[in-house]
Amino acid sequence: ETGVTQTPRHLVMGMTNKKSLKCEQHLGHNAMYWYKQSAKKPLELMFVYSLEERVENNSVPSRFSPECPNSSHLFLHLHTLQPEDSALYLCASSQDSGTAYEQYFGPGTRLTVT
Amino acid sequence: RKEVEQDPGPFNVPEGATVAFNCTYSNSASQSFFWYRQDCRKEPKLLMSVYSSGNEDGRFTAQLNRASQYISLLIRDSKLSDSATYLCVVSDYKLSFGAGTTVTVRA
Repeated sequence: ETGVTQTPRHLVMGMTNKKSLKCEQHLGHNAMYWYKQSAKKPLELMFVYSLEERVENNSVPSRFSPECPNSSHLFLHLHTLQPEDSALYLCASSQDSGTAYEQYFGPGTRLTVT
Repeated sequence: RKEVEQDPGPFNVPEGATVAFNCTYSNSASQSFFWYRQDCRKEPKLLMSVYSSGNEDGRFTAQLNRASQYISLLIRDSKLSDSATYLCVVSDYKLSFGAGTTVTVRA
């Protein structure tokens, strides 16, 4: 089983829709992350979870709502998004939330908001 | 000033050539440094950590210059498979990513 999986891989949604992105890690890690990657821009950290508790929220708009039911699963619930939210959303996990640990990324969900 | 800055490139080099590029960071308190590699339309993957004394991993050499606040990556004997975007990652209490340097190795 691949280390970090994400579904769906591609998503097109209207501004009034509600959808959810799913991430699952099979590595036994304690920390999980959501990142946003826009073209030609650095990865932007959105949320960090450590042992299922949110430890960081980088001023992300409330139209993005994370959920971490257990240490292996992470969701990103989306509602009333804007066209500028179109990007690649990457999930990652690491052994712990300390920054010295290698991050393992999933393949990402390419989101288009119309 | 951006936290992490990279020359976006692209660096176009022939097979067998040596290519090197830098990354500058703004926070002098940064403690950990990494190079990640991202292939086109794929996820980033760790290439190597960067240690204070510099380190090598096969054809790849990473250096850290704390005084001037930059790290570098050198690729020797470039292969076609080295074509990718290389992301500089710097951390203090959080990870900061650069936007990446694109390298294209041509036959």
